[in-house]
Amino acid sequence: GEDVEQSLFLSVREGDSSVINCTYTDSSSTYLYWYKQEPGAGLQLLTYIFSNMDMKQDQRLTVLLNKKDKHLSLRIADTQTGDSAIYFCAERGNAGNMLTFGGGTRLMVKP
Amino acid sequence: EAEVAQSPRYKITEKSQAVAFWCDPISGHATLYWYRQILGQGPELLVQFQDESVVDDSQLPKDRFSAERLKGVDSTLKIQPAELGDSAMYLCASSSGSGETQYFGPGTRLLVL
Repeated sequence: GEDVEQSLFLSVREGDSSVINCTYTDSSSTYLYWYKQEPGAGLQLLTYIFSNMDMKQDQRLTVLLNKKDKHLSLRIADTQTGDSAIYFCAERGNAGNMLTFGGGTRLMVKP
Repeated sequence: EAEVAQSPRYKITEKSQAVAFWCDPISGHATLYWYRQILGQGPELLVQFQDESVVDDSQLPKDRFSAERLKGVDSTLKIQPAELGDSAMYLCASSSGSGETQYFGPGTRLLVL
């Protein structure tokens, strides 16, 4: 089946930029997503990008997509302690709406 | 802002018992999904509904799991009998017709003892 991989952990200082990376295997991905999950909570949709785009910016969030390398990244500018959470990358193939998620990257923001 | 509702938020049960989870999607969303998230992992799709019909239940363990969405609105996911390995977070999500974005509920955390 299709696979989505993320690094497990990232630690940054408050005010720095965070970059969370994701790789995927499905060459027919149509949309790619970033979700945020705080402890004990559901998933909050942060942003998504259509596969024919290479960049999308939304306030402090910048998504970069390298379709050739099947690499997606999420940059959070001016990272705050409230950004501490687990971030999931997900991809949607071209058959149906099913999302395939990565294992999540735990972001820790130190004051 | 419209949200996906789920209940209960937490459920503790003993193995071999039956459990049921409820989900109410965002109003007007035709597509409803149930995901299971094991601790430390990403969510995995169990079943997808389009209105009242099952679109994909290939990952649903049908010997013990069942899901229904009788009127095409809210949905129930049942496990009978529960096993220790079913301990996880059960997440419901919904999307509109285009299916571009899925919105998740707060989840039901199940602990099987």
